[in-house]
Amino acid sequence: EDQVTQSPEALRLQEGESSSLNCSYTVSGLRGLFWYRQDPGKGPEFLFTLYSAGEEKEKERLKATLTKKESFLHITAPKPEDSATYLCAVHDSKLTFGKGITLSVRP
Amino acid sequence: DADVTQTPRNRITKTGKRIMLECSQTKGHDRMYWYRQDPGLGLRLIYYSFDVKDINKGEISDGYSVSRQAQAKFSLSLESAIPNQTALYFCATSLGPGEKLFFGSGTQLSVL
Repeated sequence: EDQVTQSPEALRLQEGESSSLNCSYTVSGLRGLFWYRQDPGKGPEFLFTLYSAGEEKEKERLKATLTKKESFLHITAPKPEDSATYLCAVHDSKLTFGKGITLSVRP
Repeated sequence: DADVTQTPRNRITKTGKRIMLECSQTKGHDRMYWYRQDPGLGLRLIYYSFDVKDINKGEISDGYSVSRQAQAKFSLSLESAIPNQTALYFCATSLGPGEKLFFGSGTQLSVL
């Protein structure tokens, strides 16, 4: 059975303290891995799509990377406005979401 | 205006009542989806539609039905609501297979 596991479940950082969020997956044939950001009371908002191992994408303080078994969302020098839940989703024959990682960044 | 609009934003209903959640989109996408989100469970697919004449069950379709009234409109119905259908419901659209999803702001449904 396809699985998508995100860790840790929650992460608290001090402003400026860089860290990484993990998404590990077991699927038979990866067609794409997605990262979304979700703010409280809102729907998920697309961040990145990665298609093959070794691929990297960046947007402001965020950088997503992909290997054959996992993806990392690296957050460099985070700010309080980066506080949100980050969702990972894996597409093979269907789209499977992880449970999300709640990030809190303290000023 | 939002590209994907859901109504209502919040709804409280009683067990056994019929309820409809509505979704409309201005993105011009053929593909539309209904998901529910529960704490600790993540997003789960209820139904999806690839065009007006195409309706498909997702992983948790029992107790739900849908109607695709037009390319832009996709509604979700609970024929007889039960408390374990209390959840946050999202409508989403996509341009094509494997493409990113665009989500509405969600409907928080509480079934008492």
